[in-house]
Amino acid sequence: KNQVEQSPQSLIILEGKNCTLQCNYTVSPFSNLRWYKQDTGRGPVSLTIMTFSENTKSNGRYTATLDADTKQSSLHITASQLSDSASYICVVRKRGSYIPTFGRGTSLIVHP
Amino acid sequence: GAVVSQHPSWVICKSGTSVKIECRSLDFQATTMFWYRQFPKQSLMLMATSNEGSKATYEQGVEKDKFLINHASLTLSTLTVTSAHPEDSSFYICSATTQEAGGYTFGSGTRLTVV
Repeated sequence: KNQVEQSPQSLIILEGKNCTLQCNYTVSPFSNLRWYKQDTGRGPVSLTIMTFSENTKSNGRYTATLDADTKQSSLHITASQLSDSASYICVVRKRGSYIPTFGRGTSLIVHP
Repeated sequence: GAVVSQHPSWVICKSGTSVKIECRSLDFQATTMFWYRQFPKQSLMLMATSNEGSKATYEQGVEKDKFLINHASLTLSTLTVTSAHPEDSSFYICSATTQEAGGYTFGSGTRLTVV
């Protein structure tokens, strides 16, 4: 069983709408959690990084939340744009380890 | 911010030949680099972890004699796909981290097509 579970697996929304992606993890002990955006045929690009003490972090129209008690994170995208169409990957780092644990990603498609 | 440069971005090679992919950390020293493989519409699969100056640690099922990884300096790691076959065609991505970085910076990926 993957230690980082993302949902939904895929999502289609209309341009201008908001959406929220979920990431639940069991990785322990926890060090940090990052959300990445991966465009097709490109390497992942970091959107946010969150440590244990952080609850919310924003990067433009992207807002990530973290509940370390329930081991849940979300990525909220506001006023979606066509360029937001991509795969969004949740990556959790275990304290004391360099090896990341990846979620399988959420594929987001934004339609005009 | 931290930048990882990966080259080439795409390569087409004949079956049986070898291909080398480079991954460079441009503005930081990467103590650890990772190599991933990604098939269409699938998540990244970790192939191996390399620390500067030591042998790479390969994930189960990854042939170390086929995928040669060299991490000779703190800014450069290379992946050589030896005797490539069409089934090796894939998207290969590297990432780097440091003890201070806390996260992972990815290269832009290399699309390998073996014909």
